[in-house]
Amino acid sequence: GAGVSQSPSNKVTEKGKDVELRCDPISGHTALYWYRQSLGQGLEFLIYFQGNSAPDKSGLPSDRFSAERTGGSVSTLTIQRTQQEDSAVYLCASSLEWGRGVDTFGSGTRLTVV
Amino acid sequence: GENVEQHPSTLSVQEGDSAVIKCTYSDSASNYFPWYKQELGKGPQLIIDIRSNVGEKKDQRIAVTLNKTAKHFSLHITETQPEDSAVYFCAASILGSGAGSYQLTFGKGTKLSVIP
Repeated sequence: GAGVSQSPSNKVTEKGKDVELRCDPISGHTALYWYRQSLGQGLEFLIYFQGNSAPDKSGLPSDRFSAERTGGSVSTLTIQRTQQEDSAVYLCASSLEWGRGVDTFGSGTRLTVV
Repeated sequence: GENVEQHPSTLSVQEGDSAVIKCTYSDSASNYFPWYKQELGKGPQLIIDIRSNVGEKKDQRIAVTLNKTAKHFSLHITETQPEDSAVYFCAASILGSGAGSYQLTFGKGTKLSVIP
């Protein structure tokens, strides 16, 4: 597609439920990132995928968070047993290759945990 | 780790005036400094970036300056227009040096309002 596509755009879930957020990067972009944007914390790095290398998960806030990238393209961020503090906008970004910085973000998934 | 401070948090300017947003960073190893513009309901959009081997970069009405010694960098928007109204984020990163060299550390953002 023309840009980074994320779905759903909005998600409301009950505390304790699991959620899955999807990211379709720009075709051919080998690097994929997840960031979280919340009012109190600004933009925070969560996880990074580069080609077939092991992902850098150092930004994931707890073991309730996980992500995978299948076939070097689509990525899914999963949050288990959601908590109210997980409410935020989850942004996915991709770039053509490692070392070029993040140039294209999706519009994000706004997650609200009630 | 890296820490990026951004000022001001809000900025109002008259249309046609200039706007300046300033950021400081803590890690002297950072070598890449992008700026993003975020409009309501959208993801951040890269508008300009600078690497540590240059002191200034311009793109039409937008310019960025970098002072490595003082560890600060600034965004300058000239001849502001209402469509420049948005939240602007600065960020810092280390590119090209291996593991951990791709994470962006963002400032908290500046909400710019251009008054017609």
